[in-house]
Amino acid sequence: GQQVMQIPQYQHVQEGEDFTTYCNSSTTLSNIQWYKQRPGGHPVFLIQLVKSGEVKKQKRLTFQFGEAKKNSSLHITATQTTDVGTYFCAGAGAGSYQLTFGKGTKLSVIP
Amino acid sequence: KAGVTQTPRYLIKTRGQQVTLSCSPISGHRSVSWYQQTPGQGLQFLFEYFSETQRNKGNFPGRFSGRQFSNSRSEMNVSTLELGDSALYLCASSPSTGTGTDEQYFGPGTRLTVT
Repeated sequence: GQQVMQIPQYQHVQEGEDFTTYCNSSTTLSNIQWYKQRPGGHPVFLIQLVKSGEVKKQKRLTFQFGEAKKNSSLHITATQTTDVGTYFCAGAGAGSYQLTFGKGTKLSVIP
Repeated sequence: KAGVTQTPRYLIKTRGQQVTLSCSPISGHRSVSWYQQTPGQGLQFLFEYFSETQRNKGNFPGRFSGRQFSNSRSEMNVSTLELGDSALYLCASSPSTGTGTDEQYFGPGTRLTVT
C-alpha cells in the first residue's frame, strides 16, 4: 500500500531560525496536504498542493510539491514560538478517497 | 459554520467491552473519515463514508466498523476492546466534490482508554 515518509521526526530550533520538513511518498500522488497539530489539539488543515512543481506561500511558510509528485516540503522562515507543534503531510493517490499521513515532524522552538 | 463535533470527548472502557463514538460533520460536508492516532503509529486511516456509503477502509480488523446516516452524521464502533485500542479517535469531514480527497476538517477527537 501507499506509504508516506516524513523527516525529521523531531526538530529543535532557536527562535528566528528556519525550519524544513520533508515528505516522500512511495507512489505518485494526486495531491498532497499539510496539517499542523498543536500540543493537545487536533490537526488543522494548512494547504493543498495539486500541480507538479507547485510552490505556495502563506506568510512565513513555503510549501513545495515535487516535479514527480512524490515528494513535498514545508519551510518556515524565522520561526516563532507560535510555530510550535507537529506538522503532518498527507497524500492521496489518483481516485483515492483515503489520505495517508506521514508520522509528522514535531517542532520545538526555543525562545 | 460550526466545526466538527465528536462525542464523547473522553471514554474509559474495560477489555472485552464495546464502544460507539459519534461524529457530526460541518454542515454541508458529505464525506466523513475516521482516524486512529497513537504516539507510535501516528495518524492511521480507519474508513471514509460519503452519502452513507463506505468508499474506503484502512487496514484495521473487523472489530472496527462504522456507518453514516442520511444527515451525514457518522458513528464508529469498536467491539471486543483490546488494550492496544487505547488512542485518540479523530473524525474529519470534507466537502468532497467526489473527484478525490479534499481538505479534511478535524474534530477535537475522542480519547479512548482501555483498561
